[in-house]
Amino acid sequence: KNQVEQSPQSLIILEGKNCTLQCNYTVSPFSNLRWYKQDTGRGPVSLTIMTFSENTKSNGRYTATLDADTKQSSLHITASQLSDSASYICVVRVLVAGRRALTFGSGTRLQVQP
Amino acid sequence: NAGVTQTPKFRILKIGQSMTLQCAQDMNHNYMYWYRQDPGMGLKLIYYSVGAGITDKGEVPNGYNVSRSTTEDFPLRLELAAPSQTSVYFCASSHDQGPNEQFFGPGTRLTVL
Repeated sequence: KNQVEQSPQSLIILEGKNCTLQCNYTVSPFSNLRWYKQDTGRGPVSLTIMTFSENTKSNGRYTATLDADTKQSSLHITASQLSDSASYICVVRVLVAGRRALTFGSGTRLQVQP
Repeated sequence: NAGVTQTPKFRILKIGQSMTLQCAQDMNHNYMYWYRQDPGMGLKLIYYSVGAGITDKGEVPNGYNVSRSTTEDFPLRLELAAPSQTSVYFCASSHDQGPNEQFFGPGTRLTVL
């Protein structure tokens, strides 16, 4: 079982619509959680980072939420655009044997159709 | 700044062949990483480096080797390619190991036949 689970695996929406992507994690102790956007054939690019004390953070049309008690995060995309078509990856940073380590989710593949 | 660059973009190897995947960054980052991304799976850390001359194993190091002779370069070596190493390889760098963002290269798609 993945320690960082993302849902749905894939999603198709129409341009202009909103959507929410989910990330549930079981890894601990939690340090921070980051959402990355990965365009096809490219490397991931950071969208936002959430620390333990943050509940909500926005970056343009992207809004991330974090509930550290339930170990859940979401990424809400408002007024989707064709350029939002990509994979969205949730990455949780934890402390392992005194060192910080990253655990990557397998991503949600979003397709925005005209 | 070019950021993180990787070469080649694509490569096909035969079983048993060897090759080196090149990675360079021009952001003066101390930390560099190699990941592999298999279809439908999250990125897995192969090796990382905290500075020139220092490397350490990640989650899936078997079959790979790295070196870090300069701050800028972090090549990944496959000595005896196996079909299980068919994957997309990403190099990344960050300023340090704190919450700082990792910057990723464009990836190298490797197929071993």
